Amino acid sequence: DTEVTQTPKHLVMGMTNKKSLKCEQHMGHRAMYWYKQKAKKPPELMFVYSYEKLSINESVPSRFSPECPNSSLLNLHLHALQPEDSALYLCASSQDIGRGGLYEQYFGPGTRLTVT
Amino acid sequence: GIQVEQSPPDLILQEGANSTLRCNFSDSVNNLQWFHQNPWGQLINLFYIPSGTKQNGRLSATTVATERYSLLYISSSQTTDSGVYFCAGTRYSGAGSYQLTFGKGTKLSVIP
Repeated sequence: DTEVTQTPKHLVMGMTNKKSLKCEQHMGHRAMYWYKQKAKKPPELMFVYSYEKLSINESVPSRFSPECPNSSLLNLHLHALQPEDSALYLCASSQDIGRGGLYEQYFGPGTRLTVT
Repeated sequence: GIQVEQSPPDLILQEGANSTLRCNFSDSVNNLQWFHQNPWGQLINLFYIPSGTKQNGRLSATTVATERYSLLYISSSQTTDSGVYFCAGTRYSGAGSYQLTFGKGTKLSVIP
């Protein structure tokens, strides 16, 4: 099974709200990722977790706060977002992050976020 | 980091036609993946192909790592093939980590 699940599918939030995005995989992968994708653009990497520890933060604003409670779960906590943060947020996982980049990444269906 | 260029940016096909999408990368890559993003946003893995040729039904892909390019062939296209096709290669991003760099995609529209 190569499934990554994400909830919710759609989210509308105000600029003062606090919400969370959730991602789950049961492939035994030890690396998990958050990407942001704006319309008509490719996905852009936000965060990478490896063995439940934050490995990479691509200079993402602090209003986005990732969390990896265990090896199967990845959350993205949202607070005080701006309208320009409206986008498709994709979660991905891979077996690991190193070894010359030889690990295939698998993506979830995404959460379409609208900030009003 | 590496640069990934895809061509053409847009492609319109009559149902049943064949097509070739190209991906060029600026430096050697350790890994190359092709994805299809459907109209609902789901990124579907098509091929994991650091080198060589693979086939899956009507789709096939060839990566020539020494010449830094990859090709995706779609034969007998169907309307369900519509969407955006991305290629992505790994780049070293520090801390022993290799991360995917995406091209800008090819938007394919298959018309009946």
